[in-house]
Amino acid sequence: DTAVSQTPKYLVTQMGNDKSIKCEQNLGHDTMYWYKQDSKKFLKIMFSYNNKELIINETVPNRFSPKSPDKAHLNLHINSLELGDSAVYFCASSSFDGSNYGYTFGSGTRLTVV
Amino acid sequence: DQQVKQNSPSLSVQEGRISILNCDYTNSMFDYFLWYKKYPAEGPTFLISISSIKDKNEDGRFTVFLNKSAKHLSLHIVPSQPGDSAVYFCAASAHPGNQFYFGTGTSLTVIP
Repeated sequence: DTAVSQTPKYLVTQMGNDKSIKCEQNLGHDTMYWYKQDSKKFLKIMFSYNNKELIINETVPNRFSPKSPDKAHLNLHINSLELGDSAVYFCASSSFDGSNYGYTFGSGTRLTVV
Repeated sequence: DQQVKQNSPSLSVQEGRISILNCDYTNSMFDYFLWYKKYPAEGPTFLISISSIKDKNEDGRFTVFLNKSAKHLSLHIVPSQPGDSAVYFCAASAHPGNQFYFGTGTSLTVIP
């Protein structure tokens, strides 16, 4: 069973459309994240949720809105897609037991805006 | 403004030899560090972590060394295997639960 699964794996859409990417984790982690990998392969955080509450909201356009219906799910909704939104988006989840970190990524969603 | 840097974009090593991947950071508040590897078209896979109370952590063939005064960490892979060929990212955070800042990665090629 995949620990952090995100769907779809590939998404091709036209400018101006609204799309969602779903993420689910079955690890029992309390914290979930969305990262964007840009054209330079740099992973940059977008959002972080802890137990359904938003704790990190980096400077991303308002067109990006995360939704966490429960602590196992963190979905990313994007309105009015632009060409510059094309990237690979990774969902992740984490836990920390006081000394060791568990941090697991999904396999990524490649978004192409045409 | 990149707080975590991996200055070597690529590294080639013969099978059986040691691979050393380096990472530097600028924020002295960082206390938790992770290494990941990533294969093409897959998500990053966690390898090993270290917190600032230690200067070394070992897991099988992978050892991470932390030099806090130099703001430097390194990942040693011994012996290197062809299956280790991947992109390796280091990441740092000031506090568990906070976000991790990632380096841009080093592409390791292990030559059979």
